Amino acid sequence: GQQLNQSPQSMFIQEGEDVSMNCTSSSIFNTWLWYKQDPGEGPVLLIALYKAGELTSNGRLTAQFGITRKDSFLNISASIPSDVGIYFCAGQLRGGGADGLTFGKGTHLIIQP
Amino acid sequence: GAVVSQHPSWVICKSGTSVKIECRSLDFQATTMFWYRQFPKQSLMLMATSNEGSKATYEQGVEKDKFLINHASLTLSTLTVTSAHPEDSSFYICSVYPFAGPNYGYTFGSGTRLTVV
Repeated sequence: GQQLNQSPQSMFIQEGEDVSMNCTSSSIFNTWLWYKQDPGEGPVLLIALYKAGELTSNGRLTAQFGITRKDSFLNISASIPSDVGIYFCAGQLRGGGADGLTFGKGTHLIIQP
Repeated sequence: GAVVSQHPSWVICKSGTSVKIECRSLDFQATTMFWYRQFPKQSLMLMATSNEGSKATYEQGVEKDKFLINHASLTLSTLTVTSAHPEDSSFYICSVYPFAGPNYGYTFGSGTRLTVV
């Protein structure tokens, strides 16, 4: 089946630093999404991307849908303590809610005081 | 966006018993719901697609006779883990896809932690 390669696996940063993580795939996806998951909770949608080349921001978060439709990145600017958590990229093959999502393995963001 | 309620949030059951998990779409009629499983420190894996009024579609490697899915209404899907064993212990999460609203995308429930002892 499809696989998403998400990197880095974990990040140790100082508060205020910028963060960047990305996902690549051998398959083309029609939709890319980025989620954040806190312990014991379901994932929460951060940004959804629907068009190749699309660059979308949500506050301090910015994500882009790669031109080839096989990759995406998420940037977080000026990190704060509440940014701690696990970030997942996810892709949908067909789009339109017809099929489920394929998830990356996650990036564990740790902010050092 | 859509609001998805999942119940129970956690459950402990004895090996060999069955457990039912409910997923409700509170403000959105969902003809399709999705069930995922997440083992500790791992990613979410799609188990099955629940279709209102018809049979669920299971991903490769997921036993349909073990994980029974019922989607009897547009707001409720249930996942029953039958004859549960310790290896079924996991975090089960459902999701829906609302077709409207800004920045829409799959919305997830808060998950159900299943522990089989």
